[in-house]
Amino acid sequence: QQQVKQSPQSLIVQKGGISIINCAYENTAFDYFPWYQQFPGKGPALLIAIRPDVSEKKEGRFTISFNKSAKQFSLHIMDSQPGDSATYFCAATSGSRLTFGEGTQLTVNP
Amino acid sequence: EADIYQTPRYLVIGTGKKITLECSQTMGHDKMYWYQQDPGMELHLIHYSYGVNSTEKGDLSSESTVSRIRTEHFPLTLESARPSHTSQYLCASGTTREAFFGQGTRLTVV
Repeated sequence: QQQVKQSPQSLIVQKGGISIINCAYENTAFDYFPWYQQFPGKGPALLIAIRPDVSEKKEGRFTISFNKSAKQFSLHIMDSQPGDSATYFCAATSGSRLTFGEGTQLTVNP
Repeated sequence: EADIYQTPRYLVIGTGKKITLECSQTMGHDKMYWYQQDPGMELHLIHYSYGVNSTEKGDLSSESTVSRIRTEHFPLTLESARPSHTSQYLCASGTTREAFFGQGTRLTVV
């Protein structure tokens, strides 16, 4: 049972464009929603995270939008760069358990 | 920032061999995790520990076993490796809010 559903599976964006990755969750006990970025040959690393009492969080070119009533959250990458090409995972935590989405492979073309 | 180390980075081994993947962290985190990941694909939790002498199986059934005798050390063992065990194994440690990942061990069983 996939508790966090992520889409799209892959995404190709031109340099300077906006990348949008969406996630939906089922478990209302989730209380923290991080995004992880993974480059080939590396482990995932925390990119940005949001609490459910906040509707939006922005750090540089990365923004999380959170809709608690719809149980959805999304990552927006503004002015996407080739260096942003990586796999992105949304996640949700409940207690000490971290549940990941399926991942999105982002390719930013020059 | 947590430092978490996995060895070896790459391992090619014959069917039937016993292997141990090492994972150590220097931040004193009580929580440690093992994930299995095929390239660019989902992260599957196979084992986790909330402290010394505490280990639990994760969401994905695995023939591997783990131990947690010391806070900083969380090795994973396969008693008899098979080609179906070929994958990347990622170790992580962390707090309630964030997981810090090692670079992973890419295991190939021939």
